[in-house]
Amino acid sequence: GAGVSQTPSNKVTEKGKYVELRCDPISGHTALYWYRQSLGQGPEFLIYFQGTGAADDSGLPNDRFFAVRPEGSVSTLKIQRTERGDSAVYLCASSLRGLADDNEQFFGPGTRLTVL
Amino acid sequence: SQQGEEDPQALSIQEGENATMNCSYKTSINNLQWYRQNSGRGLVHLILIRSNEREKHSGRLRVTLDTSKKSSSLLITASRAADTASYFCATDGDSNSGYALNFGKGTSLLVTP
Repeated sequence: GAGVSQTPSNKVTEKGKYVELRCDPISGHTALYWYRQSLGQGPEFLIYFQGTGAADDSGLPNDRFFAVRPEGSVSTLKIQRTERGDSAVYLCASSLRGLADDNEQFFGPGTRLTVL
Repeated sequence: SQQGEEDPQALSIQEGENATMNCSYKTSINNLQWYRQNSGRGLVHLILIRSNEREKHSGRLRVTLDTSKKSSSLLITASRAADTASYFCATDGDSNSGYALNFGKGTSLLVTP
């Protein structure tokens, strides 16, 4: 596709519910990243995929958060037992190879998650 | 944790003036990037400067990098109202993989006509 797309654009849920957020990266990009951005802050890294595998999940805040990328393209971020503190904009990004010296990341528009 | 710290937090200038934003970081890096974010277009990549580069230009943007001081600056010349946005610096090298980006809190730029 032309760019990174994310669905839904907005998600409102109740505390304790389960949510899934989807990311479609740019076609051919092997590296995919999830970030979370709270109001007034910069994005914070959650997890990085190279192909199908999670190469770095050190940013996931706890075991309620999980992400998959089964076929090396689309990724789903899953949040169990949501809490009000999970409310944020969840951003997905992709890059061509994820090489350290060529790491321009292209971001999607984000999913705004609100936990009531 | 957020490694980059932008300065100032907010900047207000008039069209035609230059805007300078600074960024400091803490650990060694492979490269440093600047991004722009506004409500209409999300987070957009502006420019990437590698750790072995000292200065880079792209259109009205000029970025400098001083690895000895662990700092970078972004200069926007001849600013326009459309430049109104938040600007973030992002560094890598501080994660397990070295590829995840660490963003600062950003500088909010307002350009008035």
